[in-house]
Amino acid sequence: DADVTQTPRNRITKTGKRIMLECSQTKGHDRMYWYRQDPGLGLQLIYYSFDVKDINKGEISDGYSVSRQAQAKFSLSLESAIPNQTALYFCATSDSRDRVAGELFFGEGSRLTVL
Amino acid sequence: AQTVTQSQPEMSVQEAETVTLSCTYDTSESDYYLFWYKQPPSRQMILVIRQEAYKQQNATENRFSVNFQKAAKSFSLKISDSQLGDAAMYFCAYNGNAGNMLTFGGGTRLMVKP
Repeated sequence: DADVTQTPRNRITKTGKRIMLECSQTKGHDRMYWYRQDPGLGLQLIYYSFDVKDINKGEISDGYSVSRQAQAKFSLSLESAIPNQTALYFCATSDSRDRVAGELFFGEGSRLTVL
Repeated sequence: AQTVTQSQPEMSVQEAETVTLSCTYDTSESDYYLFWYKQPPSRQMILVIRQEAYKQQNATENRFSVNFQKAAKSFSLKISDSQLGDAAMYFCAYNGNAGNMLTFGGGTRLMVKP
């Protein structure tokens, strides 16, 4: 089983619908992130959470919200989806104790299409 | 804010040959970390190699090595003896003092010709 699991893997929805992307991890990491990938733009940070009570906006948080339900769970919501939110979304984790390495561990991505 | 630039949207290499992917970054920090991630068609992001800025020696992982030029803020990836399985998107990423938050470049798509 993957250490960082995202659901759903693929989703097609309509404009105006509420969508939730879920992420769970078994790595025991305290930090979790949501990134969005668009062609030519790399990955852009949407939100990040350094622990259950700490939620922070990233570069492109408008139109998104998050919830850190537990150390192992971090969900991303689109309250009213719009077509330009069509993208590949990645959840990632890291360990604050691993400052030297600074490595992120990624889920397999959730491809969202908004019609 | 830090920025990471990959100026080559696409590159191609003949199997068994060597290819170099370019990356430049902008930062005012002196202590930071740089990474190359590989994204094959499976979409999974895989760490290829990392470099700590305070280390002058270039990192090497098997066929993958970097040319880290701190003064020039350049961090290129060299892939030797290219294999078909190396075909993927490659992302350069920066991690500074703000914590474990990576800033990514736009990516380079590498094609490997048999």
